[in-house]
Amino acid sequence: DQQVKQNSPSLSVQEGRISILNCDYTNSMFDYFLWYKKYPAEGPTFLISISSIKDKNEDGRFTVFLNKSAKHLSLHIVPSQPGDSAVYFCAASAPVTSGTYKYIFGTGTRLKVLA
Amino acid sequence: GAVVSQHPSWVICKSGTSVKIECRSLDFQATTMFWYRQFPKQSLMLMATSNEGSKATYEQGVEKDKFLINHASLTLSTLTVTSAHPEDSSFYICSARVASGRSEQFFGPGTRLTVL
Repeated sequence: DQQVKQNSPSLSVQEGRISILNCDYTNSMFDYFLWYKKYPAEGPTFLISISSIKDKNEDGRFTVFLNKSAKHLSLHIVPSQPGDSAVYFCAASAPVTSGTYKYIFGTGTRLKVLA
Repeated sequence: GAVVSQHPSWVICKSGTSVKIECRSLDFQATTMFWYRQFPKQSLMLMATSNEGSKATYEQGVEKDKFLINHASLTLSTLTVTSAHPEDSSFYICSARVASGRSEQFFGPGTRLTVL
């Protein structure tokens, strides 16, 4: 049962335009969401996060939007640059009984920014 | 940001042998380390959560006797794949967290395991 879904396996965007990556989740207990970027043969690197008490968080070219009622979040990158080409994972977390927070990752979306 | 290293970066082994993968936090002490596995074009699947000095907590479906995790210090966790088989071939990634709660996880570069 995939609790975090990224339905678009790939996305191509022209340089300078906006990239929108989408993520849906099913578990209403998730209350913290993150986006990670991953290059081939490397570990993911953190991009941006959002808590469920917010509906938007912005950091430079990256903005994450959260729609709790729809259980949907999106990452906007504007303007897109060729160096943004990578696989983007969304992740969600919820508290577990021990107090440890663990992440559930989506399947990733491969973004290609065309020069 | 904090740096997490993994060793080896890739390993090829024969079926039936055991392989140990190390995960180190280089410039911080990690209270918790996580081990993930990624199949091609699939998500990162959490295998286990490891707290220093205590037994790892394994996710459902992950065999603890096959994937041995030791978190001996605040900077080192090891994953040993015992009696490896070709279906264990995968990309294994560790992450480390600085403090408890919602603090960010920092990921290692991953280890590519190929079992012949």
